[in-house]
Amino acid sequence: ETGVTQSPTHLIKTRGQQVTLRCSSQSGHNTVSWYQQALGQGPQFIFQYYREEENGRGNFPPRFSGLQFPNYSSELNVNALELDDSALYLCASSWGLAGSYEQYFGPGTRLTVT
Amino acid sequence: AQTVTQSQPEMSVQEAETVTLSCTYDTSESNYYLFWYKQPPSRQMILVIRQEAYKQQNATENRFSVNFQKAAKSFSLKISDSQLGDTAMYFCAFMNGEETSGSRLTFGEGTQLTVNP
Repeated sequence: ETGVTQSPTHLIKTRGQQVTLRCSSQSGHNTVSWYQQALGQGPQFIFQYYREEENGRGNFPPRFSGLQFPNYSSELNVNALELDDSALYLCASSWGLAGSYEQYFGPGTRLTVT
Repeated sequence: AQTVTQSQPEMSVQEAETVTLSCTYDTSESNYYLFWYKQPPSRQMILVIRQEAYKQQNATENRFSVNFQKAAKSFSLKISDSQLGDTAMYFCAFMNGEETSGSRLTFGEGTQLTVNP
């Protein structure tokens, strides 16, 4: 059984550019959540996708957008990058929405905005 | 909105000893879950232990156990017989138990635990 994978591992972008991060959920998982983890802080919830539909969003501006594909993999897109977007981006997948389902995290994508 | 607070930014313990990490939370919900996650330098977040709020019995997973005080909104993690591999950042997290709310996690700021040989 393949775990949650994310690509790329590291990424350096310039302020104002756009970036796409990718997440492959664990086999059979239909729910993907994205989190932003700034250096030295706990992860902050960005949004969640359940069966290809957005199912909840945290306090992030509209330039953070996402997508979930029929195979339940997911993308996080960030437009008009700002310096404060520099962070570790984590995705997590699970069997469903209930808290009884464990969320499995990927290794993250480290984004640096210069 | 829920909040999770970890008041110990850093802690250290000698190998084989016991250490307790503190966490408090604030919520008006009655149905929820609490978690402790471990994030080693490899960055991958790993679930350590989970507690359902409706269960009075404290969760235990091998060397890891929790002290869940629902009225006080306190959720501490005890690590017994600490091992060098326990060195990591530990995060306390909250999840609303209603499925209609989704399964978003609210994390605390984290506690960096160092186990010394």
